[in-house]
Amino acid sequence: RKEVEQDPGPFNVPEGATVAFNCTYSNSASQSFFWYRQDCRKEPKLLMSVYSSGNEDGRFTAQLNRASQYISLLIRDSKLSDSATYLCAVKVGRRALTFGSGTRLQVQP
Amino acid sequence: EPEVTQTPSHQVTQMGQEVILRCVPISNHLYFYWYRQILGQKVEFLVSFYNNEISEKSEIFDDQFSVERPDGSNFTLKIRSTKLEDSAMYFCASTPDRDTQYFGPGTRLTVL
Repeated sequence: RKEVEQDPGPFNVPEGATVAFNCTYSNSASQSFFWYRQDCRKEPKLLMSVYSSGNEDGRFTAQLNRASQYISLLIRDSKLSDSATYLCAVKVGRRALTFGSGTRLQVQP
Repeated sequence: EPEVTQTPSHQVTQMGQEVILRCVPISNHLYFYWYRQILGQKVEFLVSFYNNEISEKSEIFDDQFSVERPDGSNFTLKIRSTKLEDSAMYFCASTPDRDTQYFGPGTRLTVL
């Protein structure tokens, strides 16, 4: 089983739609969770950390479900500029990040 | 806002040649990382560095790779004898607290 798994997509959604991505992780000792956004051939940019209580930043909401070992990202009111690949990353203790392969989102006019 | 910077943005080299990729982490950060991403694949961890020594490395980081912090600002990744399969984007990242990592723009390495 892969350490971090994501549906590769692509998710094709119209502008204004709500879209949700899930990411599952295999190591139950994982302690820190993140969503990064990556544009084509660019670096991963931190979108948000994911806390146990869930967190929201504008149109973006992240949730953590430790029992089922997954994190989710919800994007409301999608914009064309949201088109990108969304990377899930997890960390065990002080170790480095383990990334998923990413989910590609294409927002269409 | 402070950023991680990397040079060069693109490096083309012949197989068997040595390359050095350079990074300037954010100035008050203490933990530094190198990751790579082969085209179309996921971002993979190579090595982490703290207090002038390697704190963790992956299976990818074999004897062909080395890292150094030659002065107070630069953090370098050296590949001694490049192979075709080393062609990838190499990202440097830094963090003040071993938690949230900030990535540089990457160096695209092409090995011919």
